[in-house]
Amino acid sequence: AQKVTQAQTEISVVEKEDVTLDCVYETRDTTYYLFWYKQPPSGELVFLIRRNSFDEQNEISGRYSWNFQKSTSSFNFTITASQVVDSAVYFCALSGGAAGNKLTFGGGTRVLVKP
Amino acid sequence: DAGVIQSPRHEVTEMGQEVTLRCKPISGHDYLFWYRQTMMRGLELLIYFNNNVPIDDSGMPEDRFSAKMPNASFSTLKIQPSEPRDSAVYFCASSPGVYSYNEQFFGPGTRLTVL
Repeated sequence: AQKVTQAQTEISVVEKEDVTLDCVYETRDTTYYLFWYKQPPSGELVFLIRRNSFDEQNEISGRYSWNFQKSTSSFNFTITASQVVDSAVYFCALSGGAAGNKLTFGGGTRVLVKP
Repeated sequence: DAGVIQSPRHEVTEMGQEVTLRCKPISGHDYLFWYRQTMMRGLELLIYFNNNVPIDDSGMPEDRFSAKMPNASFSTLKIQPSEPRDSAVYFCASSPGVYSYNEQFFGPGTRLTVL
């Protein structure tokens, strides 16, 4: 069975600080995909980024970056120079292998960015 | 293009009543998912469809829950009879293809309160 753990339940920062969200996953599959979703106070879930298990290259997209390490089964996500609009709950999710395109979500990390 | 549409956005009902939640996926998407979000259990997959056929309903909590997808543009999730513990936000999501890397696009959710 697949499992996703987000140990941080809540993070509070001041605007312009960087925020790193931790995600640890468990799967027996060799091919899988990792996602980050954002849930702002309005409630909808918004897709942010995706990574497959064969590509450990870390990337930067605007103020977002991610660090994927298969050796430690981690898929961490960083928001650089945080803004108040980044305040939301962030979910890490896993799909692939026997689970197909079913998403297994972590418990979420609430990020509060103070002005 | 319109995103995933859910109705109603809010539903308040009394225990024992029947509740029907509705979802219109993004046109052309072959997969449709129903999720439930609660504080205690987080985001959990209830059921998903491929080309209108239910593929995995292992997450449906009990026989009081049923889901249908009569055509490619409409799905319902029905709870009969409803109970207070069914209070949650129910999300519908759709996905364009069969691959595990396809991200899911979520609707705004239906907040259900059972008194």
